[in-house]
Amino acid sequence: AQSVTQLGSHVSVSEGALVLLRCNYSSSVPPYLFWYVQYPNQGLQLLLKYTSAATLVKGINGFEAEFKKSETSFHLTKPSAHMSDAAEYFCAVSSLPGGGADGLTFGKGTHLIIQP
Amino acid sequence: DAGVTQSPTHLIKTRGQQVTLRCSPKSGHDTVSWYQQALGQGPQFIFQYYEEEERQRGNFPDRFSGHQFPNYSSELNVNALLLGDSALYLCASSPTASGYAEQYFGPGTRLTVT
Repeated sequence: AQSVTQLGSHVSVSEGALVLLRCNYSSSVPPYLFWYVQYPNQGLQLLLKYTSAATLVKGINGFEAEFKKSETSFHLTKPSAHMSDAAEYFCAVSSLPGGGADGLTFGKGTHLIIQP
Repeated sequence: DAGVTQSPTHLIKTRGQQVTLRCSPKSGHDTVSWYQQALGQGPQFIFQYYEEEERQRGNFPDRFSGHQFPNYSSELNVNALLLGDSALYLCASSPTASGYAEQYFGPGTRLTVT
């Protein structure tokens, strides 16, 4: 069984400040990990994914995440927040690289608020 | 290139009724997965269709059923609606059922059960 815990249902940062969204996972097999973003009234967009190639993963819009097996974590960061980053962010885990056949297991999400 | 499309965007139904939601996958994609996203929660996997058959299923009752057509589009049917079925229903498509290809999500259908 797999599960994801996202710490903090709401995170507020000032524009230009560091963004840190936390994700811890549980998996009985080597995990594949994903971060998705959801803007209001839109579907999910893939930000980045870890598929065992490199532990530091770079994604779109300046986001990156580091896979730490010893801490079972996959935290999402961005050096400088922009107003357009305000959205809901979901961490997900799968037993397959694309997250396809078995479905993705999502966390409950973190709502990112950017203060001007 | 059109992405994943879903219809309708919003729907209101009464308890006990039945509902059908529709999804057209991204061009070139042959696999469709459905997810339920309750308010304030992350999406939950309902099932996946490939070659017109259900391949995998999450922890959802038989009231939830689906279908995939030869053109790869898909329907999600929910019978005997409960208030708890109120949610955003997301469709995701990928070009293969192997699990190695990224899933692309549609904008969802917002179902409200009263």
